[in-house]
Amino acid sequence: AAGVIQSPRHLIKEKRETATLKCYPIPRHDTVYWYQQGPGQDPQFLISFYEKMQSDKGSIPDRFSAQQFSDYHSELNMSSLELGDSALYFCASSSRRVAETQYFGPGTRLLVL
Amino acid sequence: DAKTTQPTSMDCAEGRAANLPCNHSTISGNEYVYWYRQIHSQGPQYIIHGLKNNETNEMASLIITEDRKSSTLILPHATLRDTAVYYCIVRVASNLNSGYALNFGKGTSLLVTP
Repeated sequence: AAGVIQSPRHLIKEKRETATLKCYPIPRHDTVYWYQQGPGQDPQFLISFYEKMQSDKGSIPDRFSAQQFSDYHSELNMSSLELGDSALYFCASSSRRVAETQYFGPGTRLLVL
Repeated sequence: DAKTTQPTSMDCAEGRAANLPCNHSTISGNEYVYWYRQIHSQGPQYIIHGLKNNETNEMASLIITEDRKSSTLILPHATLRDTAVYYCIVRVASNLNSGYALNFGKGTSLLVTP
């Protein structure tokens, strides 16, 4: 079965640079969630989208923004990167019409130097 | 969402059943119990969820007490590949009007040994 796709899988950036992470949900899923997992920490919710509209907001810094496009893929844009942004970033997708179980992608590992 | 309490770590011998407990004494009537696991640095993997009845799928069984204040995830025949952090999450089911993010707590680190 098709799974959530995230790209890139690894990313290295310098402080103050920008980064864009992409998420391609499972086909026919209408909702995308973004989570951040710092070293040794548990995943923390950042933001979610339903039918291309922002649905909910968690602990997402103002330097980050995200959107969901017409084909339901989502992008997380991160600006003025800080060392503390180094983390795993997971995207999960779900369908509110069916069960709404979230399925996670493999994640993007971001390293800020 | 209701808070959950899980043991920090557990060991299990390969081939034995792994029983992972979770307390959620403040759970509301419309909140489900979800279990996910995360194998080192991989994306969290959905295991099973339930409302009040016991549930079973190809991965595990979920036993929910009658008062719904606690539950147990059972991996019937643990293998080395089941070594992971297991998260018990209580959450209201989403609907067309609202979606709900997962609130990951500390989880239980399960080590399956040969």
